[in-house]
Amino acid sequence: AQRVTQPEKLLSVFKGAPVELKCNYSYSGSPELFWYVQYSRQRLQLLLRHISRESIKGFTADLNKGETSFHLKKPFAQEEDSAMYYCALINSKLTFGKGITLSVRP
Amino acid sequence: GAVVSQHPSWVICKSGTSVKIECRSLDFQATTMFWYRQFPKQSLMLMATSNEGSKATYEQGVEKDKFLINHASLTLSTLTVTSAHPEDSSFYICRVPGQIYEQYFGPGTRLTVT
Repeated sequence: AQRVTQPEKLLSVFKGAPVELKCNYSYSGSPELFWYVQYSRQRLQLLLRHISRESIKGFTADLNKGETSFHLKKPFAQEEDSAMYYCALINSKLTFGKGITLSVRP
Repeated sequence: GAVVSQHPSWVICKSGTSVKIECRSLDFQATTMFWYRQFPKQSLMLMATSNEGSKATYEQGVEKDKFLINHASLTLSTLTVTSAHPEDSSFYICRVPGQIYEQYFGPGTRLTVT
């Protein structure tokens, strides 16, 4: 069975600090992994996906098959990054992690 | 990009009544839509898959007689919470798959049962 684990519920950092949101997955095949973001009072939206290997809003995420991880990173956090972040894996189903609240303080 | 709407955005109902929530795909047709439930500061829990032309598929532990799903057309799925109770109060979100790996989420409907 596929599973996505986000071990932390909350990460609070100061503006300008580096951010790493952890995500580990369990899947027997080749995973397709995503990060979704939900800003306050807004709908869930795609942040980035591993197949495109892109950087969105300064965020990057590298798939590490050896560690079965897909951690989301940003070198310098901004206040507008404060939101809930969900790691997700898709096969026949889209499976979400429990999410983490990122709070960036001024 | 593709837009998915939900109606209503917020509804308050009395315990024992039924509430219908709509999910519409505005830009494209969808034979499949997904319904999720989200508690505050928690993850989305898949409730069921809405299939156009056939019965909905429910996840384990979700009562199909309580959460009625109707895929009325290729652009509309409805979720009816029957005989609502306070514990049904939650945020309900629909998801519409687009092209490969594209997923479109509705803005959500907040249900409060008093």
